[in-house]
Amino acid sequence: SQQGEEDPQALSIQEGENATMNCSYKTSINNLQWYRQNSGRGLVHLILIRSNEREKHSGRLRVTLDTSKKSSSLLITASRAADTASYFCATNNAGNNRKLIWGLGTSLAVNP
Amino acid sequence: NAGVMQNPRHLVRRRGQEARLRCSPMKGHSHVYWYRQLPEEGLKFMVYLQKENIIDESGMPKERFSAEFPKEGPSILRIQQVVRGDSAAYFCASSPPASGNQETQYFGPGTRLLVL
Repeated sequence: SQQGEEDPQALSIQEGENATMNCSYKTSINNLQWYRQNSGRGLVHLILIRSNEREKHSGRLRVTLDTSKKSSSLLITASRAADTASYFCATNNAGNNRKLIWGLGTSLAVNP
Repeated sequence: NAGVMQNPRHLVRRRGQEARLRCSPMKGHSHVYWYRQLPEEGLKFMVYLQKENIIDESGMPKERFSAEFPKEGPSILRIQQVVRGDSAAYFCASSPPASGNQETQYFGPGTRLLVL
């Protein structure tokens, strides 16, 4: 069954604004990862945050993790039209299994 | 270093035919993962394999689906007697062995299967 749930399902903003997407999950995790997918193409790995980390940055991306609430957020600052894509969170659940469990994604539209 | 390669990119089959999807992992990667994505949905885990071994196939339907990752050559996801419900995008990912950044999975461009 699906583990993660993202919200909102869809988000439309203007270029230059910030975009925040949230992800909730159900079980203990080793790490949580965010991926981007453009128009049904392949997935691009954005950032990985481990269960003992609370915040991570990569360029214009900021990810937070709250294991007590079993939730994560992805913030994209100063958005660009090229950021238009679907964003997915995926969890690697606690244990020695490498498989990823995915949410349904947030569809982000950045309008020029 | 070439990324994860998948072929074919698009595959059309009639009901009852067989579909074979191929995945070549990144160089040096020992683990391969297969995921399925239905339209407008997230990915669903199917199976992950190490060379010549299936590690976890808990997400793969028990019938008609099989996967292999031989010592030489690409990983193959095989769907026998396809039905319309098998129409989806099938993504392969790979990751390094235990040393290094084993946690990040690198994805191929996917194979879009359409069953008529």
